Amino acid sequence: QKEVEQNSGPLSVPEGAIASLNCTYSDRGSQSFFWYRQYSGKSPELIMSIYSNGDKEDGRFTAQLNKASQYVSLLIRDSQPSDSATYLCAVEGTGGGNKLTFGTGTQLKVEL
Amino acid sequence: DTAVSQTPKYLVTQMGNDKSIKCEQNLGHDTMYWYKQDSKKFLKIMFSYNNKELIINETVPNRFSPKSPDKAHLNLHINSLELGDSAVYFCASSYGTDNEKLFFGSGTQLSVL
Repeated sequence: QKEVEQNSGPLSVPEGAIASLNCTYSDRGSQSFFWYRQYSGKSPELIMSIYSNGDKEDGRFTAQLNKASQYVSLLIRDSQPSDSATYLCAVEGTGGGNKLTFGTGTQLKVEL
Repeated sequence: DTAVSQTPKYLVTQMGNDKSIKCEQNLGHDTMYWYKQDSKKFLKIMFSYNNKELIINETVPNRFSPKSPDKAHLNLHINSLELGDSAVYFCASSYGTDNEKLFFGSGTQLSVL
């Protein structure tokens, strides 16, 4: 079983729609969760972090965390073509060194 | 000014060669990392250093040797390169070790022929 799982996609949504990206993780003790965005040929950049159960909103982005279900998601409202990228879910492990484990990412395509 | 800079951006070499990738950060961060991203976009940590001290050393072949001369620099030396080493290698840095936010370099595309 992979430690952090995401659907690879591509997930296609029309411009203006809500994009929903999902991630599950196996380390039940994990406390810190992150979403990184990676444009093709570029490096990952942090867009959201979440540590407590519930929702966290930042502009058009909302991160949702459910530790009981070991599930974290990212919602992008009013999706724009510029949101087209791969979104990487990252989970901080409970082992030594606070290792960050990434999922393989979901490719999002926002279509005009 | 680039926050995390790594060189070279592209590296094409033959099997068996030895190569190095350099990384420097000007953010004043205490922790630096090397990540490997394979062709399927899987990003996996290789090493982490905090104030020049090794804190994470994943199951990486000992052909890979990181060196941190000071907390602003973390270089990666690879001996006896193999085809499977072909990937994009990202350097990153953060404040402390709590992964609050990783700042990534632009990556080094390594191709082993």
